[in-house]
Amino acid sequence: GAVVSQHPSRVICKSGTSVKIECRSLDFQATTMFWYRQFPKQSLMLMATSNEGSKATYEQGVEKDKFLINHASLTLSTLTVTSAHPEDSSFYICSASQTPGPDPYEQYFGPGTRLTVT
Amino acid sequence: AQKVTQAQTEISVVEKEDVTLDCVYETRDTTYYLFWYKQPPSGELVFLIRRNSFDEQNEISGRYSWNFQKSTSSFNFTITASQVVDSAVYFCALSEAIGLVGSARQLTFGSGTQLTVLP
Repeated sequence: GAVVSQHPSRVICKSGTSVKIECRSLDFQATTMFWYRQFPKQSLMLMATSNEGSKATYEQGVEKDKFLINHASLTLSTLTVTSAHPEDSSFYICSASQTPGPDPYEQYFGPGTRLTVT
Repeated sequence: AQKVTQAQTEISVVEKEDVTLDCVYETRDTTYYLFWYKQPPSGELVFLIRRNSFDEQNEISGRYSWNFQKSTSSFNFTITASQVVDSAVYFCALSEAIGLVGSARQLTFGSGTQLTVLP
């Protein structure tokens, strides 16, 4: 159980276009999902916390108008990178917590989406 | 603010050697969880272990073992008899209590240690 999927796994887009990444919890409901970004040979950095039915909470330095997050259902959160530029090329990983639930400390990670902006 | 430090950026060992990956953390919470994840070249994070702040018992799982020392704020990870398949980046992470009881907690990751096991 507790599987999280991401789609697409890889995407290449042209500079100036927008790209949407989906994060789904397949067998549980996730009130909260987290979005992380990982540049090559670096650690995972939290971008934002996505709560179902409310606005996402962004970490300092993350542009909310550039990285649009929508968490419209208990099993789906989307991250849209708007007007992408080459510096947005990165590995984007989502995670989901089964909340409310017995174990809010447990996060289940998706397989990640590799974005390349040309 | 919470912080996780993995001072070893890269480690290279020969197969069958034992290797210890260090993790030091900082937190003001009394209740928190510590994690270790493995990230192979594919990129997908593989969960290895979770330990809560009230359980200082060391844990062994096959060739893996973890040493949690609250007195030194460390949570070190040892691989015994390393194998080539152990080559990956290993992340230590910390989750502390934020927000309402029962709400999800965010993770703070260390910078990771690239382990290379040579045949």
